[in-house]
Amino acid sequence: KAGVTQTPRYLIKTRGQQVTLSCSPISGHRSVSWYQQTPGQGLQFLFEYFSETQRNKGNFPGRFSGRQFSNSRSEMNVSTLELGDSALYLCASSPPGTAEAFFGQGTRLTVV
Amino acid sequence: QKEVEQNSGPLSVPEGAIASLNCTYSDRGSQSFFWYRQYSGKSPELIMSIYSNGDKEDGRFTAQLNKASQYVSLLIRDSQPSDSATYLCAVNPWSSASKIIFGSGTRLSIRP
Repeated sequence: KAGVTQTPRYLIKTRGQQVTLSCSPISGHRSVSWYQQTPGQGLQFLFEYFSETQRNKGNFPGRFSGRQFSNSRSEMNVSTLELGDSALYLCASSPPGTAEAFFGQGTRLTVV
Repeated sequence: QKEVEQNSGPLSVPEGAIASLNCTYSDRGSQSFFWYRQYSGKSPELIMSIYSNGDKEDGRFTAQLNKASQYVSLLIRDSQPSDSATYLCAVNPWSSASKIIFGSGTRLSIRP
């Protein structure tokens, strides 16, 4: 069974630009969560989608948004990028009935 | 008070010894508890899930949960150099069944 796939693996963007990250969950997983990981703040929950609906949201500004499609694939968008948005963005999918999260390889975003 | 607290380490353990990693959490109603292993430059990998008080063993790993003390631990027996990684404790809070809160991680180093 294929794991969680995230694209792209690396991105370099300029301040003020916007970026879209993509995540394909494990087959059969309908819950997709996004996390931001930085050396200073650790792994922080961004939001979670289930059946195309956002079920939970972390404490991030509105510049961070996401969506989920009918095939459970998810995208995350960050608008008006700031230097502090440089981080590893991780997507995780969860099987039905459990909160266990299985992570993709992540997208390393660098904002310059 | 952080929701999930771990000693950041580094914890240095000789090869073949038992490594003991500890975690406390603040949400008394939390239901699900996880340990993840993260190698440098890689994404977190789920190694143990525990849901009820007591011990759960899987190979060289034993997770221990004490809900009354709001305490979770991970024991690694016969530690190997390949166990050197950051170990993240994660908790599914009662208030949000589909969200996971991560601790900041404990860096474990196994010395030959």
